[in-house]
Amino acid sequence: SQTIHQWPATLVQPVGSPLSLECTVEGTSNPNLYWYRQAAGRGLQLLFYSVGIGQISSEVPQNLSASRPQDRQFILSSKKLLLSDSGFYLCAWRPRGGPGVVTQYFGPGTRLTVL
Amino acid sequence: SQQGEEDPQALSIQEGENATMNCSYKTSINNLQWYRQNSGRGLVHLILIRSNEREKHSGRLRVTLDTSKKSSSLLITASRAADTASYFCATDLPNAGGTSYGKLTFGQGTILTVHP
Repeated sequence: SQTIHQWPATLVQPVGSPLSLECTVEGTSNPNLYWYRQAAGRGLQLLFYSVGIGQISSEVPQNLSASRPQDRQFILSSKKLLLSDSGFYLCAWRPRGGPGVVTQYFGPGTRLTVL
Repeated sequence: SQQGEEDPQALSIQEGENATMNCSYKTSINNLQWYRQNSGRGLVHLILIRSNEREKHSGRLRVTLDTSKKSSSLLITASRAADTASYFCATDLPNAGGTSYGKLTFGQGTILTVHP
């Protein structure tokens, strides 16, 4: 069966510090991968998605970047965190497939607080 | 602006009652999905309805889709205290080829509280 991991679960960082959040998927190959952010009390906003190694699409202009160094690894980074980067970051995956394959599966999330 | 908007923002009911949540969206969709989030946790996929479907059932869940009104509803029958969570609708827009990259757009969610 497939599983998705995210770490760390919780992170408190000072403004201006770097960030690296990691997401890995097990039990599948060549998945589509996604990073979402959820601000307190709000819905999710898609930040990045990837359809393959090294292929990253950014959905919103921001202080963050994403990379996919391996097939099942997706990393969210920042060189200098801002207060507005605080939030709950969720990684998700979807099997690569035809038009019928649409369900996304979410990881447990990382709660980031920037002080 | 958000593609999906849910209402009500919050819903409080007693165990055994039914809970109905609504979602409206603005543009044509490939499919619409409902997710559940327990406090501080990741999202769990509940049910998906495609643009050419009008109704789907899964256990105690019933989803309807009206593409002419660009709206969907999620009904949870015979609610339980364990159903307490936030519920989100997410729309999946078609790409140029009519398929999907899975770029979901979420609404703000409905907070459901079921009292024992």
